[in-house]
Amino acid sequence: GAVVSQHPSRVICKSGTSVKIECRSLDFQATTMFWYRQFPKQSLMLMATSNEGSKATYEQGVEKDKFLINHASLTLSTLTVTSAHPEDSSFYICSAQPGPDRGGGLHFGNGTRLTVT
Amino acid sequence: EDKVVQSPLSLVVHEGDTVTLNCSYEVTNFRSLLWYKQEKKAPTFLFMLTSSGIEKKSGRLSSILDKKELSSILNITATQTGDSAIYLCAVLTSGGSNYKLTFGKGTLLTVNP
Repeated sequence: GAVVSQHPSRVICKSGTSVKIECRSLDFQATTMFWYRQFPKQSLMLMATSNEGSKATYEQGVEKDKFLINHASLTLSTLTVTSAHPEDSSFYICSAQPGPDRGGGLHFGNGTRLTVT
Repeated sequence: EDKVVQSPLSLVVHEGDTVTLNCSYEVTNFRSLLWYKQEKKAPTFLFMLTSSGIEKKSGRLSSILDKKELSSILNITATQTGDSAIYLCAVLTSGGSNYKLTFGKGTLLTVNP
């Protein structure tokens, strides 16, 4: 099946630093990838839609300058949390959709646990 | 604003019971509805529904979409403790070449032995 790789799986950083999270579709091309944030025991919250070759579309309430998204190729999207603060600590997940010939659906990375100290 | 509402928010059953989870939506430019099962980490894809009235089945799980009622149900028969998870419903919409996914809050299913 379609595979999405997310890296790193865990990261601990100090307040004020920036952290980059990568999302790769390993065996398919994805013109669109999604970035989510999950709080404990809650559903996923869509942060932004990442479109290859164009600017990401951010959901209401998500700071564009804080959560920088780059979708430079058909297999890679990155989320950079800039000037991280403890309240940014969370579980971040990406997903990508293969074409209809691959059965559709969305395939998720395994997530990144970010802890800001 | 696109909305996806799931019910119930939580459900506790005994092994062997059958459960029905509901998902309703109000969105613009509907493309498909997706069901996921989330245990500890990332959600696992279950079904993608695009056409109304066609049941999709996988083992003890099945799902169907009703575009007239703007809703979908996910059925799990003969539940097992391993079915305990959060079940997420999401609706994929599109505007031009861009896609957007809206999630419901999920149904927390607990299956007791």
